[in-house]
Amino acid sequence: SQTIHQWPATLVQPVGSPLSLECTVEGTSNPNLYWYRQAAGRGLQLLFYSVGIGQISSEVPQNLSASRPQDRQFILSSKKLLLSDSGFYLCAWSEGLAGLTSTDTQYFGPGTRLTVL
Amino acid sequence: AQKVTQAQTEISVVEKEDVTLDCVYETRDTTYYLFWYKQPPSGELVFLIRRNSFDEQNEISGRYSWNFQKSTSSFNFTITASQVVDSAVYFCALTSNTGKLIFGQGTTLQVKP
Repeated sequence: SQTIHQWPATLVQPVGSPLSLECTVEGTSNPNLYWYRQAAGRGLQLLFYSVGIGQISSEVPQNLSASRPQDRQFILSSKKLLLSDSGFYLCAWSEGLAGLTSTDTQYFGPGTRLTVL
Repeated sequence: AQKVTQAQTEISVVEKEDVTLDCVYETRDTTYYLFWYKQPPSGELVFLIRRNSFDEQNEISGRYSWNFQKSTSSFNFTITASQVVDSAVYFCALTSNTGKLIFGQGTTLQVKP
């Protein structure tokens, strides 16, 4: 069966510091991978998605970036954190047989709670 | 444009009551999929159900049931005999033809003992 991991679970960082959040998926090959942010107030915002190694699509301009160095690894980064980067970051995966399709069910990881002070 | 509306921000019920969470969607696509996810206090989004636009049959899974009505663009979720463990935020979502999930704002359900 497939599992998705995220770490760290919680993180407190000062403004201006760098960020690296990691997501890995087990039990599947060539998945589509996604990063979402959930700010206070619940709304889920898609930040990035990837249909393959090195292929990253950005949904929202910001000071965050994503990379996919391996098939089942997805990394969210920032060179300098802002206060507004605080939130709950969720990674998700879906079957990637034909890129992004409307049939995909996304399965989410446990999330990382980031507080920027 | 694609949109999902969950008009109920918060619902509070007493254990064993039935509760219905509303979801209304907008899309111009003829083929689409609708989803419900549960987010317990731990934060992880748990997938509950996926329905495609061509299947309007209601679905029941234990105490959970879903009512999909294309005529009213609604995909409502009912929990029968609610339990404290059902307390969570529930999200309705829609996939567009680009494959991206569009979420509603969520409904917080509190089930009191």
